[in-house]
Amino acid sequence: DAGITQSPRHKVTETGTPVTLRCHQTENHRYMYWYRQDPGHGLRLIHYSYGVKDTDKGEVSDGYSVSRSKTEDFLLTLESATSSQTSVYFCAINRDRNTEAFFGQGTRLTVV
Amino acid sequence: AQSVAQPEDQVNVAEGNPLTVKCTYSVSGNPYLFWYVQYPNRGLQFLLKYITGDNLVKGSYGFEAEFNKSQTSFHLKKPSALVSDSALYFCAVRDIAYGGSQGNLIFGKGTKLSVKP
Repeated sequence: DAGITQSPRHKVTETGTPVTLRCHQTENHRYMYWYRQDPGHGLRLIHYSYGVKDTDKGEVSDGYSVSRSKTEDFLLTLESATSSQTSVYFCAINRDRNTEAFFGQGTRLTVV
Repeated sequence: AQSVAQPEDQVNVAEGNPLTVKCTYSVSGNPYLFWYVQYPNRGLQFLLKYITGDNLVKGSYGFEAEFNKSQTSFHLKKPSALVSDSALYFCAVRDIAYGGSQGNLIFGKGTKLSVKP
């Protein structure tokens, strides 16, 4: 896999607690994305970033926030986790907006 | 609204036979189309893309896809399937609604390919 590391890889958390997922890249790519994967829905975009401190919402952004203080790190925060946020979360990076994105290994989050 | 459809939840093929995984799309403007593959408990791996140029695109692991503008399709194909090709396949199109200029993608729901010996 291209130099993308997601942490943690697995997490179980309780409803109402805040959770932060980390995406770290070593490729110095400008664009970074957070997607969630759910059965029957494919992957859906949560938030994306087009540079340090430049972020915007995706299709399913409610209940999520992001931050990018350094090129290499893109953090996804669930403000107050709910059971509907149980999912597999993927980070992706892209060198250029017209090229293909590369994906991390994913984080499996379970909210109980 | 932009969308991607993968009409088959599952495709079953015998090893050595040709395989096709279907994808149709709906976009305004010129489509940027992608195929990805996901093996169990792994992230998505890029297979191939169509941006412009030849309608037949060749990609990784012997896969190819044919872009058909009149039918708005981008079907994934392989002449001879392998058991190791068994995986989940996703078609995607660049999303112009949510910052498509930043490379965001809309994905189909995925097609599970099962290749039997």
